[in-house]
Amino acid sequence: KNEVEQSPQNLTAQEGEFITINCSYSVGISALHWLQQHPGGGIVSLFMLSSGKKKHGRLIATINIQEKHSSLHITASHPRDSAVYICAVDRGDSNYQLIWGAGTKLIIKP
Amino acid sequence: DTGVSQDPRHKITKRGQNVTFRCDPISEHNRLYWYRQTLGQGPEFLTYFQNEAQLEKSRLLSDRFSAERPKGSFSTLEIQRTEQGDSAMYLCASSFGAGTEAFFGQGTRLTVV
Repeated sequence: KNEVEQSPQNLTAQEGEFITINCSYSVGISALHWLQQHPGGGIVSLFMLSSGKKKHGRLIATINIQEKHSSLHITASHPRDSAVYICAVDRGDSNYQLIWGAGTKLIIKP
Repeated sequence: DTGVSQDPRHKITKRGQNVTFRCDPISEHNRLYWYRQTLGQGPEFLTYFQNEAQLEKSRLLSDRFSAERPKGSFSTLEIQRTEQGDSAMYLCASSFGAGTEAFFGQGTRLTVV
């Protein structure tokens, strides 16, 4: 079993829909990252969470440390949100070997 | 643009040739990381620097790979005698330090033919 599991693997939705992507992990962490990767390959860091909730524009990320679960929400989704969304956890080691989820491929249709 | 920049964005090389990639981190960041990502996979850690010191190297980093960060600012990743299996996206990231948010570059896509 992978240490970081994301669901769903693929998600197709209509423009305007509320999107939820889930991430569960099985190891102790110091932080959890949500990242966005566009088809060109570049990765953008969306959030780094260690507790609670963060909001940036139409994006909301929550984490429940006790349940080892995090969610990424997109409100009023738009075709430009189409990308792969990756959850990665930091075990708090002295280095930066993140444990990466497999990613969720999101397609928003106009 | 004050983000992490990588150069080149794309590189096509013949098998057996040497290639070198450059990463310019965010200027205040003292940590710099290299990752490799093959198609359909998540990024794999290669190595990281704290200032100019290379503190950890993955087993993925064979002796054909070498990374440097001579002045604690930009970094280079060199691959000697490239093989087709080296074809991947090479990603660079930087951060202030352990446990802080990392910012990624756009990556260098290497194709070995």
